Amino acid sequence: EPEVTQTPSHQVTQMGQEVILRCVPISNHLYFYWYRQILGQKVEFLVSFYNNEISEKSEIFDDQFSVERPDGSNFTLKIRSTKLEDSAMYFCATRSNTEAFFGQGTRLTVV
Amino acid sequence: GQQVMQIPQYQHVQEGEDFTTYCNSSTTLSNIQWYKQRPGGHPVFLIQLVKSGEVKKQKRLTFQFGEAKKNSSLHITATQTTDVGTYFCAGTGNTGKLIFGQGTTLQVKP
Repeated sequence: EPEVTQTPSHQVTQMGQEVILRCVPISNHLYFYWYRQILGQKVEFLVSFYNNEISEKSEIFDDQFSVERPDGSNFTLKIRSTKLEDSAMYFCATRSNTEAFFGQGTRLTVV
Repeated sequence: GQQVMQIPQYQHVQEGEDFTTYCNSSTTLSNIQWYKQRPGGHPVFLIQLVKSGEVKKQKRLTFQFGEAKKNSSLHITATQTTDVGTYFCAGTGNTGKLIFGQGTTLQVKP
């Protein structure tokens, strides 16, 4: 079964530092997403990416965040100047036409 | 913006009892999807409903999409301990982005 791969699985960072979360999407998928899930809460949409550009972003996705697909395969989420409240599980998801496939997630802990 | 509300937030049932979670959108949806997230896991796709009034079944799970394409439900008959997890609905609007409901966490007592 195809799968979305995310690295690292767990990242601990000091407040104010920058982190880059990586995702390898399923090869023939066209739509890429980043979602965030604070412990015990719902899955929150951050950003969608299509045709090498952001197609939509949420209010959460402010100037602190950026996404790119630097080499045509990896899909990255960069969080600059991390804050304590950025601690969450970050899921990458990709889809073709129907369902979204989620990666295992990166647990980000900001200390 | 588009919102998807889901109730209840938590549900505890005895094994063998039925379970239902409900999903409502503030706007008409192109389709609705349902996902299951086991504790410590990631959301896994269950099903997609597209047509108004559509009903689909997967063994003990029955999914419905409302006539107005603004609400949906998931019903599990005779729950088992393997049904434990959080069930999310996710609506797709005109823009194509998936907006998730808050999820319903199901606990099943053996």
